[in-house]
Amino acid sequence: GAGVSQSPSNKVTEKGKDVELRCDPISGHTALYWYRQSLGQGLEFLIYFQGNSAPDKSGLPSDRFSAERTGGSVSTLTIQRTQQEDSAVYLCASSHTDRDEAFFGQGTRLTVV
Amino acid sequence: DAKTTQPTSMDCAEGRAANLPCNHSTISGNEYVYWYRQIHSQGPQYIIHGLKNNETNEMASLIITEDRKSSTLILPHATLRDTAVYYCIADVSTSYGKLTFGQGTILTVHP
Repeated sequence: GAGVSQSPSNKVTEKGKDVELRCDPISGHTALYWYRQSLGQGLEFLIYFQGNSAPDKSGLPSDRFSAERTGGSVSTLTIQRTQQEDSAVYLCASSHTDRDEAFFGQGTRLTVV
Repeated sequence: DAKTTQPTSMDCAEGRAANLPCNHSTISGNEYVYWYRQIHSQGPQYIIHGLKNNETNEMASLIITEDRKSSTLILPHATLRDTAVYYCIADVSTSYGKLTFGQGTILTVHP
């Protein structure tokens, strides 16, 4: 596709379960970012990838959160032992290089019940 | 990243120009000004960015004051589809594209 694709678009999970969120960036984009947006809040940076490396993980809120990127393309954000406060929209963005404008996906709406 | 200040909300009549201000009085010489917008239930969308000179593209114009302490995003002929939250971000050009979003301006375009 032409844009950043995220899946699933919606996910409802029980507290304590693990979830995986997927991001397919625009082909050829080397930089990839994860953000999250809680209800009524601004966007919060989580992690940045350059290729398969993550030089900045400073925004990950706890050690229950992890992310990886393989082949310089697809990225997966994993949340272990989900808590209700993890409920949010998780947004992925990619850019051609880390100096170019970012293109965002539509997000995954995660609801922890 | 420089702190930016934007009005919480603004209204605009359809077909008129929407002028969205942003203050970034602590901006450094190498920090760009970026504008993104987020339409309800969608991911943010890049609009425009600039360093010193005014910029124009198919979506908007960006006017940056000479001292670079403030800027204005101009949507020349606002439509109902321009109703969104508009974010002004000052970022360091030498860093990677980590964006620090504030609360933005809620622009409502009225018929």
